[in-house]
Amino acid sequence: GENVEQHPSTLSVQEGDSAVIKCTYSDSASNYFPWYKQELGKRPQLIIDIRSNVGEKKDQRIAVTLNKTAKHFSLHITETQPEDSAVYFCAASTLKSGGYQKVTFGTGTKLQVIP
Amino acid sequence: DAGITQSPRHKVTETGTPVTLRCHQTENHRYMYWYRQDPGHGLRLIHYSYGVKDTDKGEVSDGYSVSRSKTEDFLLTLESATSSQTSVYFCATGGGAFEQFFGPGTRLTVL
Repeated sequence: GENVEQHPSTLSVQEGDSAVIKCTYSDSASNYFPWYKQELGKRPQLIIDIRSNVGEKKDQRIAVTLNKTAKHFSLHITETQPEDSAVYFCAASTLKSGGYQKVTFGTGTKLQVIP
Repeated sequence: DAGITQSPRHKVTETGTPVTLRCHQTENHRYMYWYRQDPGHGLRLIHYSYGVKDTDKGEVSDGYSVSRSKTEDFLLTLESATSSQTSVYFCATGGGAFEQFFGPGTRLTVL
């Protein structure tokens, strides 16, 4: 089955600096790569996603890149702010028969932005 | 938050007792999922549903069963709770091929 590895597990950055989280996946059939942000005690919230036919996507301060050949994808947060502090999960998703989207999550990165 | 609620939000129970968690959605989404979240493991799929009465197993389904008698409700049952099932349980829904939206979670403690 799919295996998603996420690094680093913890990341501390100074406010205003950039943060990069990297993931790798194993199933070449994966076609959708969402990123979720989870604040303490809250539900995971989708912050950005990318489909397999796109190499890069940007939304204000966050961007995601995808290298299908290497099976790598990354989340980039620029000009970090204290409210960016949270746990971030990457995921790789494969469309199964019946329309079900099988999502495999990474183990999470705890990002701390130091004011 | 895609109109997803979970009940109860917190539960403490004893080993060997049955437990049922409920997920309710108002978005008329076809697909519903149950995940558990544990430190160091991220989110792992327990069961999913692709329509009323249509369910299938995920990667960590042992000890769990599900039912979906109507579009808006997806029930997760722990037939005989064990301490290893202490976790935070999230329901998620999806209307189409890609995005999944999560409920607020249920924190379950099995003593």
